[in-house]
Amino acid sequence: EPEVTQTPSHQVTQMGQEVILRCVPISNHLYFYWYRQILGQKVEFLVSFYNNEISEKSEIFDDQFSVERPDGSNFTLKIRSTKLEDSAMYFCASSEQGLSTGELFFGEGSRLTVL
Amino acid sequence: DQQVKQNSPSLSVQEGRISILNCDYTNSMFDYFLWYKKYPAEGPTFLISISSIKDKNEDGRFTVFLNKSAKHLSLHIVPSQPGDSAVYFCAARNNNAGNMLTFGGGTRLMVKP
Repeated sequence: EPEVTQTPSHQVTQMGQEVILRCVPISNHLYFYWYRQILGQKVEFLVSFYNNEISEKSEIFDDQFSVERPDGSNFTLKIRSTKLEDSAMYFCASSEQGLSTGELFFGEGSRLTVL
Repeated sequence: DQQVKQNSPSLSVQEGRISILNCDYTNSMFDYFLWYKKYPAEGPTFLISISSIKDKNEDGRFTVFLNKSAKHLSLHIVPSQPGDSAVYFCAARNNNAGNMLTFGGGTRLMVKP
Protein backbone atom coordinates (compact mmCIF):
# COMPACT_ATOMS: atom_id res chain seq x y z
CA GLU A 1 0.00 0.00 0.00
CA PRO A 2 1.43 3.41 -0.92
CA GLU A 3 2.45 5.55 2.02
CA VAL A 4 3.89 8.91 2.92
CA THR A 5 7.46 8.62 4.14
CA GLN A 6 9.33 11.14 6.26
CA THR A 7 12.98 11.63 7.17
CA PRO A 8 14.57 11.97 9.61
CA SER A 9 12.48 10.20 12.21
CA HIS A 10 14.17 12.24 14.91
CA GLN A 11 16.42 15.27 14.74
CA VAL A 12 18.10 17.08 17.59
CA THR A 13 19.39 20.55 16.88
CA GLN A 14 20.69 23.60 18.67
CA MET A 15 18.56 26.71 18.92
CA GLY A 16 19.22 29.03 15.98
CA GLN A 17 20.21 26.26 13.59
CA GLU A 18 18.46 25.56 10.32
CA VAL A 19 16.52 22.33 9.96
CA ILE A 20 15.09 20.64 6.88
CA LEU A 21 12.48 17.95 7.25
CA ARG A 22 11.84 15.79 4.23
CA CYS A 23 8.77 14.01 2.98
CA VAL A 24 7.95 11.81 0.02
CA PRO A 25 4.21 12.04 -0.59
CA ILE A 26 2.18 9.34 -2.28
CA SER A 27 3.12 9.48 -5.94
CA ASN A 28 -0.21 10.38 -7.59
CA HIS A 29 -1.22 12.87 -4.92
CA LEU A 30 -1.41 16.54 -5.82
CA TYR A 31 -1.91 18.24 -2.44
CA PHE A 32 0.72 18.32 0.27
CA TYR A 33 0.60 19.46 3.86
CA TRP A 34 2.63 19.95 6.99
CA TYR A 35 1.10 19.63 10.44
CA ARG A 36 2.79 19.61 13.81
CA GLN A 37 1.98 18.35 17.28
CA ILE A 38 3.73 19.80 20.28
CA LEU A 39 3.92 17.23 23.05
CA GLY A 40 0.61 17.04 24.89
CA GLN A 41 -1.11 19.46 22.53
CA LYS A 42 -3.32 19.31 19.47
CA VAL A 43 -2.28 18.49 15.94
CA GLU A 44 -1.97 21.91 14.27
CA PHE A 45 -2.09 22.85 10.61
CA LEU A 46 0.98 24.62 9.25
CA VAL A 47 0.68 24.82 5.49
CA SER A 48 -0.88 23.31 2.39
CA PHE A 49 0.79 23.20 -1.02
CA TYR A 50 -0.69 22.66 -4.44
CA ASN A 51 0.51 23.25 -7.98
CA ASN A 52 3.94 24.32 -6.72
CA GLU A 53 2.69 27.03 -4.44
CA ILE A 54 1.35 27.53 -0.95
CA SER A 55 -2.45 27.38 -0.98
CA GLU A 56 -3.06 28.02 2.71
CA LYS A 57 -0.97 28.66 5.79
CA SER A 58 -1.63 29.21 9.47
CA GLU A 59 -0.33 31.92 11.80
CA ILE A 60 2.28 29.46 13.00
CA PHE A 61 3.83 29.38 9.53
CA ASP A 62 5.76 32.62 9.81
CA ASP A 63 8.84 33.83 7.93
CA GLN A 64 11.02 31.26 9.69
CA PHE A 65 9.24 28.49 7.81
CA SER A 66 9.33 27.62 4.14
CA VAL A 67 8.27 24.70 1.99
CA GLU A 68 9.58 23.44 -1.29
CA ARG A 69 9.04 20.65 -3.77
CA PRO A 70 12.56 20.60 -5.20
CA ASP A 71 12.45 17.63 -7.52
CA GLY A 72 8.90 16.43 -8.16
CA SER A 73 8.95 13.75 -5.48
CA ASN A 74 10.22 15.32 -2.27
CA PHE A 75 8.35 17.90 -0.23
CA THR A 76 10.43 19.70 2.36
CA LEU A 77 9.82 21.92 5.37
CA LYS A 78 12.63 24.27 6.31
CA ILE A 79 12.90 26.09 9.60
CA ARG A 80 15.55 28.77 9.19
CA SER A 81 16.45 29.55 12.77
CA THR A 82 14.95 27.08 15.20
CA LYS A 83 13.53 28.13 18.55
CA LEU A 84 12.90 26.02 21.62
CA GLU A 85 9.16 26.18 20.97
CA ASP A 86 9.63 24.57 17.55
CA SER A 87 10.21 21.26 19.34
CA ALA A 88 7.37 19.06 18.14
CA MET A 89 6.42 16.12 15.98
CA TYR A 90 6.06 17.31 12.40
CA PHE A 91 3.70 15.35 10.18
CA CYS A 92 3.70 15.50 6.42
CA ALA A 93 0.47 14.54 4.64
CA SER A 94 -0.77 14.27 1.09
CA SER A 95 -4.10 13.88 -0.63
CA GLU A 96 -5.18 13.08 -4.13
CA GLN A 97 -7.86 15.70 -4.60
CA GLY A 98 -7.73 18.02 -1.62
CA LEU A 99 -10.10 17.75 1.26
CA SER A 100 -13.29 18.17 -0.71
CA THR A 101 -13.42 14.54 -1.71
CA GLY A 102 -10.72 12.73 0.13
CA GLU A 103 -8.85 12.35 3.34
CA LEU A 104 -5.26 13.12 4.16
CA PHE A 105 -2.67 10.39 4.33
CA PHE A 106 -0.14 11.14 7.02
CA GLY A 107 3.46 10.07 7.37
CA GLU A 108 4.85 8.70 10.60
CA GLY A 109 6.26 12.05 11.61
CA SER A 110 9.63 13.64 12.25
CA ARG A 111 10.38 14.47 15.85
CA LEU A 112 12.30 17.72 16.18
CA THR A 113 14.03 18.49 19.46
CA VAL A 114 15.53 21.96 19.80
CA LEU A 115 18.02 22.40 22.64
CA ASP B 1 -8.25 28.13 19.78
CA GLN B 2 -10.98 25.70 20.86
CA GLN B 3 -12.96 25.40 17.66
CA VAL B 4 -12.92 21.60 17.89
CA LYS B 5 -13.12 20.02 21.32
CA GLN B 6 -12.95 16.49 22.56
CA ASN B 7 -13.92 16.79 26.18
CA SER B 8 -13.00 13.28 27.23
CA PRO B 9 -9.23 12.80 27.27
CA SER B 10 -9.65 9.07 27.80
CA LEU B 11 -12.21 6.30 27.58
CA SER B 12 -12.02 2.71 28.76
CA VAL B 13 -14.33 0.06 27.29
CA GLN B 14 -14.65 -3.69 27.57
CA GLU B 15 -13.95 -5.75 24.47
CA GLY B 16 -17.14 -6.44 22.53
CA ARG B 17 -18.96 -3.41 23.88
CA ILE B 18 -19.66 -0.14 22.12
CA SER B 19 -17.17 2.74 22.23
CA ILE B 20 -18.61 6.21 21.79
CA LEU B 21 -16.21 9.07 21.21
CA ASN B 22 -17.58 12.58 21.19
CA CYS B 23 -16.56 15.81 19.53
CA ASP B 24 -18.00 19.32 19.68
CA TYR B 25 -17.28 22.24 17.42
CA THR B 26 -18.07 25.93 17.46
CA ASN B 27 -17.43 27.12 13.92
CA SER B 28 -20.58 26.95 11.80
CA MET B 29 -18.42 27.19 8.67
CA PHE B 30 -17.13 23.65 9.19
CA ASP B 31 -18.62 21.51 6.45
CA TYR B 32 -16.63 18.28 6.49
CA PHE B 33 -15.60 16.18 9.45
CA LEU B 34 -13.12 13.36 9.79
CA TRP B 35 -11.99 10.91 12.43
CA TYR B 36 -8.39 9.80 12.63
CA LYS B 37 -6.81 7.09 14.75
CA LYS B 38 -3.26 7.40 16.01
CA TYR B 39 -0.98 4.78 17.50
CA PRO B 40 2.17 5.83 19.38
CA ALA B 41 5.10 6.69 17.10
CA GLU B 42 2.87 6.67 14.03
CA GLY B 43 1.06 9.31 12.04
CA PRO B 44 -2.73 9.72 12.19
CA THR B 45 -4.65 7.19 10.08
CA PHE B 46 -7.94 8.11 8.46
CA LEU B 47 -10.97 6.22 9.75
CA ILE B 48 -14.18 7.75 8.50
CA SER B 49 -15.60 11.07 7.40
CA ILE B 50 -18.94 12.81 7.06
CA SER B 51 -20.15 15.76 5.07
CA SER B 52 -22.31 18.36 6.76
CA ILE B 53 -25.18 17.48 4.44
CA LYS B 54 -25.45 14.07 6.07
CA ASP B 55 -26.22 12.98 9.60
CA LYS B 56 -24.77 9.50 9.53
CA ASN B 57 -22.05 7.58 7.77
CA GLU B 58 -21.26 3.94 8.40
CA ASP B 59 -18.23 1.86 7.48
CA GLY B 60 -18.06 -1.60 8.99
CA ARG B 61 -17.71 -1.34 12.77
CA PHE B 62 -17.40 2.45 12.59
CA THR B 63 -20.29 4.89 12.41
CA VAL B 64 -20.09 8.65 12.61
CA PHE B 65 -23.12 10.69 13.60
CA LEU B 66 -23.44 14.42 13.00
CA ASN B 67 -25.88 16.70 14.81
CA LYS B 68 -25.47 20.06 13.11
CA SER B 69 -27.90 21.92 15.33
CA ALA B 70 -25.93 20.86 18.39
CA LYS B 71 -22.58 21.19 16.60
CA HIS B 72 -21.75 17.72 17.82
CA LEU B 73 -20.44 14.58 16.23
CA SER B 74 -19.70 11.17 17.60
CA LEU B 75 -17.85 8.07 16.52
CA HIS B 76 -19.33 4.71 17.45
CA ILE B 77 -17.21 1.58 17.35
CA VAL B 78 -19.08 -1.65 17.76
CA PRO B 79 -17.98 -4.18 18.72
CA SER B 80 -14.82 -2.70 20.23
CA GLN B 81 -11.64 -4.73 19.88
CA PRO B 82 -8.33 -4.49 21.79
CA GLY B 83 -6.65 -3.40 18.55
CA ASP B 84 -8.86 -0.32 18.56
CA SER B 85 -6.90 1.00 21.53
CA ALA B 86 -5.38 4.26 20.27
CA VAL B 87 -5.86 8.02 20.37
CA TYR B 88 -8.79 9.18 18.26
CA PHE B 89 -8.83 12.66 16.77
CA CYS B 90 -11.82 14.48 15.45
CA ALA B 91 -11.01 16.99 12.69
CA ALA B 92 -13.04 19.54 10.77
CA ARG B 93 -12.65 21.44 7.54
CA ASN B 94 -13.63 25.08 7.20
CA ASN B 95 -15.56 25.77 4.02
CA ASN B 96 -13.57 29.00 3.60
CA ALA B 97 -10.18 27.35 4.08
CA GLY B 98 -10.68 24.29 1.98
CA ASN B 99 -7.46 22.42 2.63
CA MET B 100 -6.94 23.05 6.31
CA LEU B 101 -8.07 20.69 9.03
CA THR B 102 -8.67 21.81 12.60
CA PHE B 103 -8.11 19.00 15.05
CA GLY B 104 -9.54 18.27 18.45
CA GLY B 105 -7.28 17.35 21.32
CA GLY B 106 -7.88 13.62 21.01
CA THR B 107 -9.41 10.91 23.15
CA ARG B 108 -7.35 7.93 24.25
CA LEU B 109 -9.44 4.77 23.89
CA MET B 110 -8.46 1.69 25.84
CA VAL B 111 -10.30 -1.51 25.00
CA LYS B 112 -9.82 -4.14 27.67
CA PRO B 113 -9.83 -7.82 26.73
